[in-house]
Amino acid sequence: NAGVTQTPKFQVLKTGQSMTLQCAQDMNHEYMSWYRQDPGMGLRLIHYSVGAGITDQGEVPNGYNVSRSTTEDFPLRLLSAAPSQTSVYFCASSYSGGAGTQYFGPGTRLTVL
Amino acid sequence: GENVEQHPSTLSVQEGDSAVIKCTYSDSASNYFPWYKQELGKGPQLIIDIRSNVGEKKDQRIAVTLNKTAKHFSLHITETQPEDSAVYFCAASSTGGGADGLTFGKGTHLIIQP
Repeated sequence: NAGVTQTPKFQVLKTGQSMTLQCAQDMNHEYMSWYRQDPGMGLRLIHYSVGAGITDQGEVPNGYNVSRSTTEDFPLRLLSAAPSQTSVYFCASSYSGGAGTQYFGPGTRLTVL
Repeated sequence: GENVEQHPSTLSVQEGDSAVIKCTYSDSASNYFPWYKQELGKGPQLIIDIRSNVGEKKDQRIAVTLNKTAKHFSLHITETQPEDSAVYFCAASSTGGGADGLTFGKGTHLIIQP
């Protein structure tokens, strides 16, 4: 199994541009989440999904959209990038039913100029 | 919502000594407490977790203790080695760690001095 994969690894955008961060998992996990990591802030939840067709907001959802059309994929969209969205983004997946263990991808480092 | 405080932010220990990282949480309904290790340029990896029905759990050189009354939990690493150098995050969840459930501390940078 590849586990959780994320693309791209690095991305530079200009203010106002849009882009999609890709996330895929091959473990048949129902739960998927997006976090952002900023220096000294830990990991903060952006959006999450408990299954295909179901998404919800986390702690810091503004400026981001998500969709979950399949169990495997959970893309994160930035519609109009802002410098405040410069961060490292991590996707995670886990089993449902309260099993708990979240498996993280390798991350995407995004810089917005 | 849940709030997780983690201390210290940086911890430097001599190789072979023990390291202890402490976290407190605010939501008494929290019942799942994982610890993640993050190496430079990589995503966090689970190293150990504990649920609210136990007070202590060990896995080789790593142990976690939980005090539900005081709402704090700690990570203990014994006989530290250079490969233990990393950033460690604690987290808490009231939903068993489901997609919406993990609230993270801000991390501890552990440095193992040779």
